[in-house]
Amino acid sequence: GAVVSQHPSRVICKSGTSVKIECRSLDFQATTMFWYRQFPKQSLMLMATSNEGSKATYEQGVEKDKFLINHASLTLSTLTVTSAHPEDSSFYICSALENPDRGLIRDEAFFGQGTRLTVV
Amino acid sequence: DAKTTQPNSMESNEEEPVHLPCNHSTISGTDYIHWYRQLPSQGPEYVIHGLTSNVNNRMASLAIAEDRKSSTLILHRATLRDAAVYYCILRVQGGSEKLVFGKGTKLTVNP
Repeated sequence: GAVVSQHPSRVICKSGTSVKIECRSLDFQATTMFWYRQFPKQSLMLMATSNEGSKATYEQGVEKDKFLINHASLTLSTLTVTSAHPEDSSFYICSALENPDRGLIRDEAFFGQGTRLTVV
Repeated sequence: DAKTTQPNSMESNEEEPVHLPCNHSTISGTDYIHWYRQLPSQGPEYVIHGLTSNVNNRMASLAIAEDRKSSTLILHRATLRDAAVYYCILRVQGGSEKLVFGKGTKLTVNP
């Protein structure tokens, strides 16, 4: 199956610093990627939708300036948590959809393995 | 977003079939029914999806009601590795529509 690689899998950072999380589609082109956040024992909460070459669309209540998303190529999207605080500690997950212009090869979304962020 | 309703939790014994229900009474004609599952500390993975007809793949079967207002994910022989949270999601085929997760069903498989 298609592979989405997310890096790093775990990161611990100091309060006030920034952390960048990468999401790569390894064997397909992804025009659309999604970023989710998940707190313990809760479901995935969509943060933003990222389209290649354009600005991300953020969900209500998600701070654009705090969670910077860059989707510079068809295989890479990055999420930067700026000035991280302990309340930003969470499990961050990316997801990618295959480029529909290449035909409906697969309609499912592919997910990264997640990044466990701990801010101390 | 069209909504789905699932039981919070279900329990099964190993090697027995499991039927996971999902209600989606407000489904529209263009909505496909997708199922994903999330194992502990991992990202979700795709299980199966369908529109109207029942679907089978290596992982599971999907039974869709005739009125499409409900569906059932069937694991024919549960294993311990099937213990996960299962999410039923509606989305339009082929678009870039976002995937919105509900609370899902936490499946426990007993040895």
